Amino acid sequence: AQSVSQHNHHVILSEAASLELGCNYSYGGTVNLFWYVQYPGQHLQLLLKYFSGDPLVKGIKGFEAEFIKSKFSFNLRKPSVQWSDTAEYFCAVNPYTGRRALTFGSGTRLQVQP
Amino acid sequence: DVKVTQSSRYLVKRTGEKVFLECVQDMDHENMFWYRQDPGLGLRLIYFSYDVKMKEKGDIPEGYSVSREKKERFSLILESASTNQTSMYLCASSQGTGRPYNEQFFGPGTRLTVL
Repeated sequence: AQSVSQHNHHVILSEAASLELGCNYSYGGTVNLFWYVQYPGQHLQLLLKYFSGDPLVKGIKGFEAEFIKSKFSFNLRKPSVQWSDTAEYFCAVNPYTGRRALTFGSGTRLQVQP
Repeated sequence: DVKVTQSSRYLVKRTGEKVFLECVQDMDHENMFWYRQDPGLGLRLIYFSYDVKMKEKGDIPEGYSVSREKKERFSLILESASTNQTSMYLCASSQGTGRPYNEQFFGPGTRLTVL
């Protein structure tokens, strides 16, 4: 069965530090990739997505992610985090096979200290 | 903007009660989903529906059932609630299959506590 791994469960950073959150998936075929964010008390919202083309994807709020097919990875990055980035981040995968549901990773809780 | 609403933000029920969680989407989406979110486990798919009256089991369907009588509404039913069903329940919808139609839009969640 396909799976999604997020190895960083809890990350604590100071403001202005750089961020990289790892995401690896197990599916070998063509995939669609997503990062969702859940701010405290709010619903999940899409941060960015990759369908095809340029493997470097830019999302909202200065986030970007790089798809590396050979490594089955889709890591999330931000050059300089802010306190308002404190949230839980989820990576999700959908194989390009007509499967309708997404498979989510276990999430990474990011805490940014002022 | 797509709007997905859930009937309750917080719910407290007793063991053995029948529980209904309701979800409504306003964008004529084909697909609707129910997930539960637990710390350290991420989101796990309970059931999804790809059309009215059509449903498929997800990864953890035991103890749950669903109903989709109208395209915009998808209900999750706990026939006899148990304490291990205490969780956050998230509803989502997506337009169709394949890119870009498989992006999912989420509701605010229902935090269910079973005593």
